[in-house]
Amino acid sequence: ETGVTQSPTHLIKTRGQQVTLRCSSQSGHNTVSWYQQALGQGPQFIFQYYREEENGRGNFPPRFSGLQFPNYSSELNVNALELDDSALYLCASSPGGMNTEAFFGQGTRLTVV
Amino acid sequence: AQSVSQHNHHVILSEAASLELGCNYSYGGTVNLFWYVQYPGQHLQLLLKYFSGDPLVKGIKGFEAEFIKSKFSFNLRKPSVQWSDTAEYFCAVGPAFGNEKLTFGTGTRLTIIP
Repeated sequence: ETGVTQSPTHLIKTRGQQVTLRCSSQSGHNTVSWYQQALGQGPQFIFQYYREEENGRGNFPPRFSGLQFPNYSSELNVNALELDDSALYLCASSPGGMNTEAFFGQGTRLTVV
Repeated sequence: AQSVSQHNHHVILSEAASLELGCNYSYGGTVNLFWYVQYPGQHLQLLLKYFSGDPLVKGIKGFEAEFIKSKFSFNLRKPSVQWSDTAEYFCAVGPAFGNEKLTFGTGTRLTIIP
């Protein structure tokens, strides 16, 4: 166990809908990153939050947005869902700073139909 | 832009065989390097990491990796695999200065035959 928890574990949505995924970071960690892992692929970096501010973004459209709360938990929101958004969404937390490692949650499996 | 290449998509070995999984990266700067493992139905977990110093790093469960800067490589090795090593293995690179926005390879599925 990493101490990073994600909810829900599985989710089915219809194309065009909106979804919110949640992540509770490990105690003492102020940095949360989100990744998308499509079937048969490695995780792709979506964005990162550090102390409630977005701190870097990967090659994802603006309909992917996020939040980080004062307790450093985080949300990933995806609007106007597309079939290609079906994937495992991973949250990773870390203590921030140089030379640190990321601890991953078990992921949320999103299926868009 | 940074990228990570894992050349072996699916590797099948018998128990006790030796393992080497290749990883090459492209990155314009000083890097931190990682190997993660994903056992069936479980979360990604860190096998080992390289930040600086000795280029031969040892991780959990008998795994090790060697950073060869001139070859931009970070290959994973284990002298004798076990059935329980069956999993997906991911190589990842992140910036050394700053934080760990990781770029992952596509992964290598390892199947160990008892």
